[in-house]
Amino acid sequence: AQSVTQPDIHITVSEGASLELRCNYSYGATPYLFWYVQSPGQGLQLLLKYFSGDTLVQGIKGFEAEFKRSQSSFNLRKPSVHWSDAAEYFCAAHSGAGSYQLTFGKGTKLSVIP
Amino acid sequence: ETGVTQSPTHLIKTRGQQVTLRCSSQSGHNTVSWYQQALGQGPQFIFQYYREEENGRGNFPPRFSGLQFPNYSSELNVNALELDDSALYLCASSLVDESGTEAFFGQGTRLTVV
Repeated sequence: AQSVTQPDIHITVSEGASLELRCNYSYGATPYLFWYVQSPGQGLQLLLKYFSGDTLVQGIKGFEAEFKRSQSSFNLRKPSVHWSDAAEYFCAAHSGAGSYQLTFGKGTKLSVIP
Repeated sequence: ETGVTQSPTHLIKTRGQQVTLRCSSQSGHNTVSWYQQALGQGPQFIFQYYREEENGRGNFPPRFSGLQFPNYSSELNVNALELDDSALYLCASSLVDESGTEAFFGQGTRLTVV
């Protein structure tokens, strides 16, 4: 079965520190990959996406993600975290063009210490 | 601002009742998907409509149904509400083509079943 796993339920970092949120996927072929952010009680905002090509993807708000086929991973990174980055982060995937059934991970809650 | 709006923002219903949630997609988007997000969980795919026809469904019973209209609006209907239906319901619109694309999410409707 297709699945997306986010191993870390909750991560706490200090403001200014670097951040890496982990995401692993299990699909028959390389899926389309996404990272979304959700503030409390809000909808989902797309941070970045990977369809093909360059495996290092730049997104909004200074985030980037690296696709590693050998590890079935798509980890999200930010070199310096701001207090406003505190939110829930979701990794998601779908199987390809023409299909838009997103499978989400359970999310990683990010807390930022001032 | 994703251009996807959902109404109402909050709703309280009694077990056994029926509810209709509404979504207005981005102009030109031919696909709308609905997701259920229980508290502390990632969104779960309910179903997808492409050009007004259901073309994908997740593991949800038939009492969850939907409609998509030519004017880029859509509805999610849930009959015989159960307490476990309490969740944030998210609508996502997208333009599905050969290159694949991204989903734009609304802010969600928070449904509470008592």
